[in-house]
Amino acid sequence: QKEVEQNSGPLSVPEGAIASLNCTYSDRGSQSFFWYRQYSGKSPELIMFIYSNGDKEDGRFTAQLNKASQYVSLLIRDSQPSDSATYLCAVRQGSGGYNKLIFGAGTRLAVHP
Amino acid sequence: AAGVIQSPRHLIKEKRETATLKCYPIPRHDTVYWYQQGPGQDPQFLISFYEKMQSDKGSIPDRFSAQQFSDYHSELNMSSLELGDSALYFCASSLGSQGIDIQYFGAGTRLSVL
Repeated sequence: QKEVEQNSGPLSVPEGAIASLNCTYSDRGSQSFFWYRQYSGKSPELIMFIYSNGDKEDGRFTAQLNKASQYVSLLIRDSQPSDSATYLCAVRQGSGGYNKLIFGAGTRLAVHP
Repeated sequence: AAGVIQSPRHLIKEKRETATLKCYPIPRHDTVYWYQQGPGQDPQFLISFYEKMQSDKGSIPDRFSAQQFSDYHSELNMSSLELGDSALYFCASSLGSQGIDIQYFGAGTRLSVL
């Protein structure tokens, strides 16, 4: 079992809809959680990060964290075709400032007009 | 704003050759991470450096070595290259000394081993 699990998709949603991406992790000691967007052949681009239980909103994006359930999600409102990409969930273990990220396999999102 | 700079962007090597990848972190960032991403795979952590010292080590082959220099740039040296080393290699940097653990990624080096 991978330490960070994501549904590989593809997740197909119509333009303007809400896309919901989910991620579970196995290490209860995990402190910080990140969502990166990656276009094919490009580098991961940070979308959101969340440290505390609850919701965190930034524009069209909302990250949700539930440490008791070891679950983190990303909601994308008003999805646009330009949002079509692979979304990587990443978990940082430990509390130091220089700990590696453990990535999930990524969920491929396709937003169709 | 300045980003993480990686060079070269593309590299083609033959089997058993060596390769050196370079990474220049965001100014004032003191921590550098190297990740390897194979085709269709998620990024896999290789190694990291904090204040020029190795801080963590992942699934990095013994054929690979890396270091961080006094100006905080880092180099990943790869020897006896194998076909399976063909991948995207990303460098990321963060400001680890402040406990700010957000990692920003460079554009990557695409290594092709023929």
